[in-house]
Order: sequence, then C-alpha cells, then structure tokens
Amino acid sequence: EAGVAQSPRYKIIEKRQSVAFWCNPISGHATLYWYQQILGQGPKLLIQFQNNGVVDDSQLPKDRFSAERLKGVDSTLKIQPAKLEDSAVYLCASSLEGGNYEQYFGPGTRLTVT
Amino acid sequence: KQEVTQIPAALSVPEGENLVLNCSFTDSAIYNLQWFRQDPGKGLTSLLLIQSSQREQTSGRLNASLDKSSGRSTLYIAASQPGDSATYLCAVSGTYKYIFGTGTRLKVLA
Repeated sequence: EAGVAQSPRYKIIEKRQSVAFWCNPISGHATLYWYQQILGQGPKLLIQFQNNGVVDDSQLPKDRFSAERLKGVDSTLKIQPAKLEDSAVYLCASSLEGGNYEQYFGPGTRLTVT
Repeated sequence: KQEVTQIPAALSVPEGENLVLNCSFTDSAIYNLQWFRQDPGKGLTSLLLIQSSQREQTSGRLNASLDKSSGRSTLYIAASQPGDSATYLCAVSGTYKYIFGTGTRLKVLA
C-alpha cells in the first residue's frame, strides 16, 4: 500500500513570495490533515478535511494561508504572501475517517523563508 | 481546551536500558491516543494506537499504556538500542482533532 505522498520535499523562498504544497493521501482515506511543525515543537493542526469538506480550520491563518481538496483526494496548501515565521515543516496526514482512526503521515515539506 | 505535555523533553540512556516516556493530557474525553516516532528531517511514523476503551497496546519491544481518568499515557521501551534514537511524540484525539505534545528527544548511547 502506497503511503502519503508530498511534494516538494524542500522549498526556499523570500518573504512576500507565494508557495504551494501538494499532498496525495492513502487511497480510500476520507480524512486529510495539514500540520505545521516549527522546529522543536509538536505538529499543530492547520486544517482538516473530511472528503471535500472542511472539518476544522480554526488555526489556519486565513489572511495568508489557503487549502483545498478537490474531488476528495489530493490537496494543496498555499501561502501568499509568506512571512519569516512561516519557516517550518508542513506535514500532511490521512486517516480512514476522523479522530477514531490511526493517522499516517507523509515525509513533509521543509519550508525556509528568507 | 486540550493540552498535551511530554516529560522529559530530552533523555540520554546507555544501550540496553529499559525506559519510560510520559505523556499527560488535561481533558480525559478522548477517542484515542497515538504514539509516533520522528527521525530528524523525516515525517512521523506511527508506533502504537490505543483506543479510549483500551488500557494498553504492545508491539515488539514497545508497550504503551493509557489511564484516561488520570490523563496519562506511558510508552515503555525495553532493551533500548541506538536505532531507537529519535523524537517520540504522543497525540490525543477528541472531537475529530488531534493535539500533539512537544515530544521527548531520546538518544541511546552505544
């Protein structure tokens, strides 16, 4: 069974530029999560999708971050414009359904904003 | 609001020791608790998932316990090896959301 795929693995941009990350969850997983992990901290949930719909985006900085999950499969997370404090690893995870099921994580995208 | 704490933040032990990592949470209304391992520069690897109705789960040299009433979980690693060196994270789920602790950085010395 293929795992969660993410791209790119690394990205370096200047502040005020835009960037997009892509995630392909495990086949058949209805729930998709995007997390932000700052160095030395645990992952923080940015947004959670159940199929096409958003379940939770309470910690997503909506003035600069956006995410979509078209057709309930792949997802993209965009930052526009980026700030220095957005430097972090962005992790995508998926599970069969919501909080009662095991989460599987992708390798993450390390973003550096200079 | 759920808060998850992991103690200690860092741990260094000689090879072969048995060790315990701790995870505490403030709201006992959880669906499950999951332990993860994270190697430097990598994503998270799931180690064990304990449903709220369970008391413990075992996989190889790993054993995780859950005491919902006291808001605690422990991850027991038997006969530690240098390959166990990593950051260990716990996460609790409630109302469809997972909340992570800040992790314990483990270093096992050969």
